[in-house]
Order: sequence, then structure tokens, then C-alpha cells
Amino acid sequence: GAVVSQHPSWVICKSGTSVKIECRSLDFQATTMFWYRQFPKQSLMLMATSNEGSKATYEQGVEKDKFLINHASLTLSTLTVTSAHPEDSSFYICSASQGANTQYFGPGTRLTVL
Amino acid sequence: GENVEQHPSTLSVQEGDSAVIKCTYSDSASNYFPWYKQELGKGPQLIIDIRSNVGEKKDQRIAVTLNKTAKHFSLHITETQPEDSAVYFCAASQGSGGYQKVTFGTGTKLQVIP
Repeated sequence: GAVVSQHPSWVICKSGTSVKIECRSLDFQATTMFWYRQFPKQSLMLMATSNEGSKATYEQGVEKDKFLINHASLTLSTLTVTSAHPEDSSFYICSASQGANTQYFGPGTRLTVL
Repeated sequence: GENVEQHPSTLSVQEGDSAVIKCTYSDSASNYFPWYKQELGKGPQLIIDIRSNVGEKKDQRIAVTLNKTAKHFSLHITETQPEDSAVYFCAASQGSGGYQKVTFGTGTKLQVIP
């Protein structure tokens, strides 16, 4: 149980284009979903927290107009990187929680912006 | 905000030996402490967690201890196997439901030498 999927697992795009990443909780309803960013050999950095049906809460320094988050249902959240640039290249990981603190992570999406 | 420190950053052990990873946290309000294992190119996988009302928890070869007074917690892996090789992250969390925020340690790269 507690399986979280992400799609795509990797994506390469040109600078200036937008990329959408999906995060799904497959066998449970996630009241809250989280989006993280991870650079090579570094820890996870929380970007934003989203609750189903409400606006995401962004961490300080994360541009909400650049990283659009939608949490349309209890099993799906999407992260759209708008007007991507090479510095946005990173490993993006989502997690989902059904309460009680425990977060279950997806397998991650590697984004490369050329 | 919460600050989580993790040591060591790298750890090499012989197969069959034990491995210990230590973390400290700063915010006494933190009440949930998960440990994650992350293999290369994958998302973190929850391996064990402990809540602030418990001092120790064990699951087969893995155990976690918590000292609330000293604000530190540790991961113990006994009888290590090559497949235990990965990066391990500790984390501290407070709140519940949609208001939780998890702060991660900087990670420990564990190498189990056959």
C-alpha cells in the first residue's frame, strides 16, 4: 500500500517551453501533496504544499508563477514548470500524505532543460 | 524554523557489521521523525519512523532511537547487506494533517562492502 507514481520519469525540453509533471496516489486518498526539488548529492528542498481544492502554499524563494501547482483531486497533483530555463534542470519529487505526518514519495522526475 | 543536522555524510561498513546514523533537531515542537532510504535515481522510501511519545522502535534489522531531551535520534542497521547501500535521510516534522512540514537532514551515503 501507499504507492505514489509520477509521470513522466524523465523529460527533456527546450528553453522557454513549459513542462507538466503529474503525481498520483494510487491506493489511497491524499489530503495533502508536497513537491520537492533535489539537486545532485543534496537533500530534498520543499517547494510547496498543496491541499485538494485549495491553493498551494509555496516556500520562501519559490516563484509561484513559475511553478504552478494544481491539486484537482485527492489522488492527483500536477506541477507545471513554466518558461523553463537550464537552471530549472533538477530532480523533482512529489509526496503524498493522508494525515498523521507520514509522507510517501513518488519515484521522481528528472527534468533537463536545454 | 527547524534545523536538522545529520552525521556522518558518508559511511562505509563491511557486510555484516552495524551502521549507525545520527541526527539532531532544533525545534522541540517536532513530534515525528521518519527515516528515508534513497537509491540512485529514485524517490525516497520510508523505512521506519518514530513519534515523540516513543523512545525506540525496531523493525527487523532496522531500529530507531529518540532522545527528546537531547533532541537527537539515530538509525541503527544491523547485519548490513550490500543492498542496504544507499543514501539515508533523517527528517523532523511537526503538525498534523495538511499543516505538517518536514525538514530533512543532509543525507548519509552508506556503502556496504561485500
